[in-house]
Amino acid sequence: KQEVTQIPAALSVPEGENLVLNCSFTDSAIYNLQWFRQDPGKGLTSLLLIQSSQREQTSGRLNASLDKSSGRSTLYIAASQPGDSATYLCAGLYSGAGSYQLTFGKGTKLSVIP
Amino acid sequence: DTGVSQDPRHKITKRGQNVTFRCDPISEHNRLYWYRQTLGQGPEFLTYFQNEAQLEKSRLLSDRFSAERPKGSFSTLEIQRTEQGDSAMYLCASRGGQSRSNTEAFFGQGTRLTVV
Repeated sequence: KQEVTQIPAALSVPEGENLVLNCSFTDSAIYNLQWFRQDPGKGLTSLLLIQSSQREQTSGRLNASLDKSSGRSTLYIAASQPGDSATYLCAGLYSGAGSYQLTFGKGTKLSVIP
Repeated sequence: DTGVSQDPRHKITKRGQNVTFRCDPISEHNRLYWYRQTLGQGPEFLTYFQNEAQLEKSRLLSDRFSAERPKGSFSTLEIQRTEQGDSAMYLCASRGGQSRSNTEAFFGQGTRLTVV
């Protein structure tokens, strides 16, 4: 069974700090890895998608990396802002019995303090 | 708005009642998923449609749950005889593209179900 783990469960940083969120997965047969942002009571907003053949993706202040051999992905946020406060979820796309489906971690709740 | 749309956003129901949720995926996406998320947890897969065909169902999906996607467009998720344990956020996602594995999943805003 595939498992995705995110540590820490919560993180608090002062505004302006660079930070790294961690994601680990147990099954290297991953097709891609996607990072999402979730605000309280809301749905998921896709941030970055990394294909299994890629090592990293960048969007603005966000950079995500993928290392299949070690089963790890990181999301780097540069110059954090209070508006970055949210829960960040990573999810690996795996092959199921009849579909490709995402397996999620529990998320890291980020608080950026002004 | 060309994103994934879910309706209603919130639903409060009494235990034992039936509820139905609707999801409108991104129009050109042929793959549609339902997930369930409880507080402090990541979303868990419930079921998958490719066009109108329901190709996979999770063991989480008890006999009280049924999903449809007539004509391969919008989808509905029905819960019969609701229980308090059904209280959760129900999320819909869609994916498109020619490749089965290399495309981004987009989620709706979810339907928050509270069973009292």
